[in-house]
Parts: sequence; C-alpha cells; structure tokens
Amino acid sequence: DTEVTQTPKHLVMGMTNKKSLKCEQHMGHRAMYWYKQKAKKPPELMFVYSYEKLSINESVPSRFSPECPNSSLLNLHLHALQPEDSALYLCASSQGRGRGPSNYGYTFGSGTRLTVV
Amino acid sequence: DAKTTQPNSMESNEEEPVHLPCNHSTISGTDYIHWYRQLPSQGPEYVIHGLTSNVNNRMASLAIAEDRKSSTLILHRATLRDAAVYYCILNKAAGNKLTFGGGTRVLVKP
Repeated sequence: DTEVTQTPKHLVMGMTNKKSLKCEQHMGHRAMYWYKQKAKKPPELMFVYSYEKLSINESVPSRFSPECPNSSLLNLHLHALQPEDSALYLCASSQGRGRGPSNYGYTFGSGTRLTVV
Repeated sequence: DAKTTQPNSMESNEEEPVHLPCNHSTISGTDYIHWYRQLPSQGPEYVIHGLTSNVNNRMASLAIAEDRKSSTLILHRATLRDAAVYYCILNKAAGNKLTFGGGTRVLVKP
C-alpha cells in the first residue's frame, strides 16, 4: 500500500458544526502532516506529527485541532469554522527522522475539499 | 529557511522535452532539493529529489548545478498528462517541514 487515504473527499459544514477529517497511511511512515490549500495558491503547512507527537504547529487557530491516535492515523477536528476556512485540506506522510542521514519524499493524499457555510 | 524562485508558467509541445529551472541561491549544505507536481484537483505528487549529484527516475531527471545554487527538472517527453504545477522545494536533511513556493504552471500543447 503506497497511498495516503483521506476521508471524506468533500465536506460542507455550518459555522456552528463540529466535524473531523481523517487521514490514513499504511506505509510505516512516522511523520504525518496537515496542509491547507486555497484556490490557485500553494499548499500551506499547518501541523506536523513526528512519531505520533505534535512537533510543529504553524500558529494555526485553535478551531483546528489535530490528533494522531496511532502511527497510521491522523485526524483534524474542526469546530466553529469561518467561511474563509473553506479550502482543500491535504494530508501527507513521510518516513520522518531517525532513519539515517538521507532524506525522503512525501506522499500526499487527494485532499478533503471543505466548504464552510 | 532558504527560498526558491521559479518562473510562473511554461509551455511545451507534446512529446518534446521540458526543462523547468529553479533558483535557490541561499541553499545550505544540508538542504535537499525536492520537486513535486500537482495535477488539477489532486494532491501534490512526489517527482524527484537530490542533494548534489544528478538524479534520474522513471518520471524525470534532476540536474543540479555544481555550486547547488540552481537546479533543473527535466521531463524527457512531455505528455498531456504532465500538465500541472511543478514545485521546487528545499528540505533539510532529516527535516520535516516541506514549505511550498509559487511553483511553475506547465501547459502541454498537443
């Protein structure tokens, strides 16, 4: 299995809703990432998990709450979002640190397209 | 973090080679050069990466200048399916922070 699977593919939510995005990989990767991408812009890093611990939070508002229940799963919990949070949310994974001096490519999922109404 | 500079867009004819330049004049000794591409309505896809030597894989070739201040991604025979935004990114050895720049939008004409 060489994929990162994201669910759902599309999500429409109201500003008072609570929802979660899910990401799964079975490649044994120990680093997982959340990115946000607005239309016609490059992806922006939100969070990095390394060996199931949050290692980077790029000053993301608290209405976005990441969770890494185990080495294969990454969730992004959403609460009280604003319409400007509508975007494509991408999950990625890589082999992460502790694997020698080399450097590894990242595998991205196809994303969840989120619309906040 | 060191930055990269890429042209906004490039056009190519189908079945011809495409050379995508990337400048990274502030690259440090521990920075690897990564290339990703993003097809419409998809997540980014890893293409290739390297440190100092030129690299080849089934998708593309990466030519790295001797002083490492620039690199070129080479698609040997462009197809219509290669139309995408191509991102050149610097990633530190054992790093875990892939930061995207603007990228180059490649248009392939039949």
